[in-house]
Amino acid sequence: GAGVSQSPSNKVTEKGKDVELRCDPISGHTALYWYRQSLGQGLEFLIYFQGNSAPDKSGLPSDRFSAERTGGSVSTLTIQRTQQEDSAVYLCASSLRSGSKDTQYFGPGTRLTVL
Amino acid sequence: TQLLEQSPQFLSIQEGENLTVYCNSSSVFSSLQWYRQEPGEGPVLLVTVVTGGEVKKLKRLTFQFGDARKDSSLHITAAQPGDTGLYLCAGQNTGGFKTIFGAGTRLFVKA
Repeated sequence: GAGVSQSPSNKVTEKGKDVELRCDPISGHTALYWYRQSLGQGLEFLIYFQGNSAPDKSGLPSDRFSAERTGGSVSTLTIQRTQQEDSAVYLCASSLRSGSKDTQYFGPGTRLTVL
Repeated sequence: TQLLEQSPQFLSIQEGENLTVYCNSSSVFSSLQWYRQEPGEGPVLLVTVVTGGEVKKLKRLTFQFGDARKDSSLHITAAQPGDTGLYLCAGQNTGGFKTIFGAGTRLFVKA
């Protein structure tokens, strides 16, 4: 079956512009995660969606970042007024459910470059 | 704040050599996972360990969870060029969803 897909694969934007990153999770997966991976770094948790519950936004670095998940499936991560420090690979993952030992399946990521 | 420290950060070895990667924390985790990530792709789960002292083997890879569930190691026997990649450890807590990732160990195996 299809895995997690993300689009675009690469995005180059100018400082101050808004960008939208899309994630299509594996069908039937109720949990969806967004992470950010800077060059040479591990993954930084951004936001988590589980079913119809309110998302956990505790990892979002500033109010310029927001995310939504429509119909419990596709998710969009929006970054407003992008800054150069936002440049990173943004990874999305989905899983059947939350909790420890749950396997997260990752998409290939979107590489964002802010000039 | 829970942190996971990985060492070494970078490792370049010859094909056939053995290596060990370490993942350490001052915090206890209910489970710990190891992922491998190749350029342009997302991380792929290799193994999950949940019991203190647990040892799991995956072909030439041996994973161990510390007795106190604060640390873990990954040992690769007779490394091959196909083992090249970024190895990430990640910890989770019971009932939680947040996964704490280490910064990774970048392994390069030369033929």
